[in-house]
Amino acid sequence: TQLLEQSPQFLSIQEGENLTVYCNSSSVFSSLQWYRQEPGEGPVLLVTVVTGGEVKKLKRLTFQFGDARKDSSLHITAAQPGDTGLYLCAGTDSWGKLQFGAGTQVVVTP
Amino acid sequence: GAVVSQHPSRVICKSGTSVKIECRSLDFQATTMFWYRQFPKQSLMLMATSNEGSKATYEQGVEKDKFLINHASLTLSTLTVTSAHPEDSSFYICSARTPRGGYQPQHFGDGTRLSIL
Repeated sequence: TQLLEQSPQFLSIQEGENLTVYCNSSSVFSSLQWYRQEPGEGPVLLVTVVTGGEVKKLKRLTFQFGDARKDSSLHITAAQPGDTGLYLCAGTDSWGKLQFGAGTQVVVTP
Repeated sequence: GAVVSQHPSRVICKSGTSVKIECRSLDFQATTMFWYRQFPKQSLMLMATSNEGSKATYEQGVEKDKFLINHASLTLSTLTVTSAHPEDSSFYICSARTPRGGYQPQHFGDGTRLSIL
């Protein structure tokens, strides 16, 4: 089983601050996705990274995929209260299944 | 983007009842759908992979007779929780993957909150 370790588990910051969430594994994934989930709803796909070393930007969110395709990070610049949610990383294993990290609960206060 | 609809969004029923949850891909055909379970403040746990026209593949520890999965068409998969008990109360989420070539991510439904009294 390929395990994804996500850190930190919880982040509470003030509006305007920056934050970074990390996703690490000892195994290689063919691709990695980041999702955001709000209470009572399903995860919403933010980005998919496929190529080692890849960097993708989505407005104030920057996603990086490690060169060895074992780790990834999500950086949010100038966080806003609307960024509050559970952030999940998920890697696609050799069977095409998603292996999820434990999630990072982000709370951005005004 | 790809849209996955899940119904119902919430179910409250008595112990012993069987409950059916539907997962539909609205704007694409999904040869593969996935069913997950999520406990409060925890991540998603894969229960089974649903393949159109064939038997579902269950993850270790998931009772196939308890959680019946049917994927009769390219746009619909159903999960039936048979003779549900309070310990089956949870948030159940489905996802579907578009069949286009190359890597395609999974898109999730909005989940079903199941509460067994």
